[in-house]
Amino acid sequence: GAGVSQSPSNKVTEKGKDVELRCDPISGHTALYWYRQRLGQGLEFLIYFQGNSAPDKSGLPSDRFSAERTGESVSTLTIQRTQQEDSAVYLCASSLRPEWRFEQYFGPGTRLTVT
Amino acid sequence: QKEVEQNSGPLSVPEGAIASLNCTYSDRGSQSFFWYRQYSGKSPELIMSIYSNGDKEDGRFTAQLNKASQYVSLLIRDSQPSDSATYLCAVKSNFGNEKLTFGTGTRLTIIP
Repeated sequence: GAGVSQSPSNKVTEKGKDVELRCDPISGHTALYWYRQRLGQGLEFLIYFQGNSAPDKSGLPSDRFSAERTGESVSTLTIQRTQQEDSAVYLCASSLRPEWRFEQYFGPGTRLTVT
Repeated sequence: QKEVEQNSGPLSVPEGAIASLNCTYSDRGSQSFFWYRQYSGKSPELIMSIYSNGDKEDGRFTAQLNKASQYVSLLIRDSQPSDSATYLCAVKSNFGNEKLTFGTGTRLTIIP
């Protein structure tokens, strides 16, 4: 079946502009996650959705970052007033999350470059 | 102390040999453990999950978990050049904490 999809695959923006990144999870997956990976570094957790609620937003680095999810489908991550340090690959993952299994499957990512 | 630690490598292994990748974690309440493979410029791909102590085998891959030692490893048998990638260890903490905490990865190179 179809995997996690993300758009755009690449985004170049000027410092100070707002950007929206989109994620379509695997159909039927109730849990959705956003991570960030800076060049040469590990993955940083940003936010987790269960359905359309976000029980864990602890990884959002500042109030310039926000995310929402419509039902159990599409999610958008919005970065306002982008800064150069926001340049990274933004990865979305989804999980079926039955009672005890938590495998997360990643999309291809959006590479964000802030100039 | 980092929450999830991996040797960054690079780890070079001859083709056909066994590659051994190691990971330690600091949170004793951790419940679920995952290995992801990440090719350069690509997103992480889940290759193994393990939830209880002992070994779990899937094809050429074996994951090993020792919760008492807070240690998880991945063995790759009959290593192939296509196994050359960065391997990420990820840990999910106690129930109710849904995020994965990742190590920085071990870069593996299989030498033909």
